[in-house]
Amino acid sequence: DVVMTQSPLSLPVTLGQPASISCRSSQSLVYSDGNTYLNWFQQRPGQSPRRLIYKVSNRDSGVPDRFSGSGSGTDFTLKISRVEAEDVAVYYCMQGSHWPRTFGQGTKLEIK
Amino acid sequence: DVQLAESGGGLVQPGGSLRLSCAASGFSFSSYAMSWVRQAPGKGLEWVSAMSGSGGIIYYADSVKGRFTISRDNSKNTLFLQMNSLRVEDTAIYYCAKGGSGSTGTKVGFDCWGQGTLVTISS
Repeated sequence: DVVMTQSPLSLPVTLGQPASISCRSSQSLVYSDGNTYLNWFQQRPGQSPRRLIYKVSNRDSGVPDRFSGSGSGTDFTLKISRVEAEDVAVYYCMQGSHWPRTFGQGTKLEIK
Repeated sequence: DVQLAESGGGLVQPGGSLRLSCAASGFSFSSYAMSWVRQAPGKGLEWVSAMSGSGGIIYYADSVKGRFTISRDNSKNTLFLQMNSLRVEDTAIYYCAKGGSGSTGTKVGFDCWGQGTLVTISS
């Protein structure tokens, strides 16, 4: 199975400051069609998960542009340019290039 | 509006069975891959099973293979998860999640999730 490793697991951030979450996969996520299927999800306290970004860098509709995704191969990053109170959540990366689908352990973002 | 609504969770003894349902609305159900994803109390997300829109392609996590069966009724816009030989470690919130259409399937993750249904396995 492809192991997804996130860091840090806990991320205290001051309001208005940037935040960055790393996600590394144990195998390349480049699929045979040339696409890289690395997706990011946000789960706010007490809520269901919500997809933020798909295929490395494509933001979902309604996701603020302060969220951005980047990376390639086995190394990926989710960045929040300026953290707001509503960003308090656990963030998960998930790979869709291999079976079984696998998630990272989650990164808990909190306000410092 | 795209909506997913799970039902069927509850308290079951180890070794027992449960059938979860997920009623979908607001999209062309038969065109989209669907999945079940679970979350044990206080833990992260674990993908459980996926089925293509037509139902012809199915995958399971090793942890549930041989015990769980995913199915769908496209005439009723409903996804199912039959869970047999349940174990304490199957205790979790089970989410129904919508994948992509066609060959994209679940590669792009899930753009809509239900509210989840809690399954508790305990004697």
